[in-house]
Amino acid sequence: AQSVAQPEDQVNVAEGNPLTVKCTYSVSGNPYLFWYVQYPNRGLQFLLKYITGDNLVKGSYGFEAEFNKSQTSFHLKKPSALVSDSALYFCAVRDQTGTALIFGKGTTLSVSS
Amino acid sequence: ETGVTQTPRHLVMGMTNKKSLKCEQHLGHNAMYWYKQSAKKPLELMFVYSLEERVENNSVPSRFSPECPNSSHLFLHLHTLQPEDSALYLCASSQEAGYEQYFGPGTRLTVT
Repeated sequence: AQSVAQPEDQVNVAEGNPLTVKCTYSVSGNPYLFWYVQYPNRGLQFLLKYITGDNLVKGSYGFEAEFNKSQTSFHLKKPSALVSDSALYFCAVRDQTGTALIFGKGTTLSVSS
Repeated sequence: ETGVTQTPRHLVMGMTNKKSLKCEQHLGHNAMYWYKQSAKKPLELMFVYSLEERVENNSVPSRFSPECPNSSHLFLHLHTLQPEDSALYLCASSQEAGYEQYFGPGTRLTVT
């Protein structure tokens, strides 16, 4: 079955510290993977994607994600967190029909000053 | 305007009303989507349109009726809704179906 799991409902980090938001997936074949961020009362904003190539993908606002095929993971990372990074983060994978994305339930990131 | 726009941003309607949500994308994309986002529930895909044809319908109740007159516009017609339909309704578009999607700000719907 196709699925995306974000095992943490909430991640808390101090400003300036590195952050990781975890994502694992289950899909047949080569995965197309995405990360999105949602600020309060806003739509989702695209951060980055992995389709093929280098396992470390760089995206918007200093975020990056590491694709690990053996662990079926696509964790979102940032070397130094900002208070303004506090938001809801979604991982997604393209489904096997190739027409839609399957989203995880989301992880709330809280960065304290 | 740029990106994906949605109107209205907020809507309150009674269970017997008929209303429509509008989405417009200014990105030249070929695929458009409707999602429902409820508190404490995952993002639910409702409808997918590719080149103005519906390609996916995730068992959505018939009280929700989509319409895609062209590749830039998407509507969601609402009638006889239930209070549990109260949610944030998000529209998105992508260059092709299954690629990265760009979202509008959403319509906050309250059914009384």
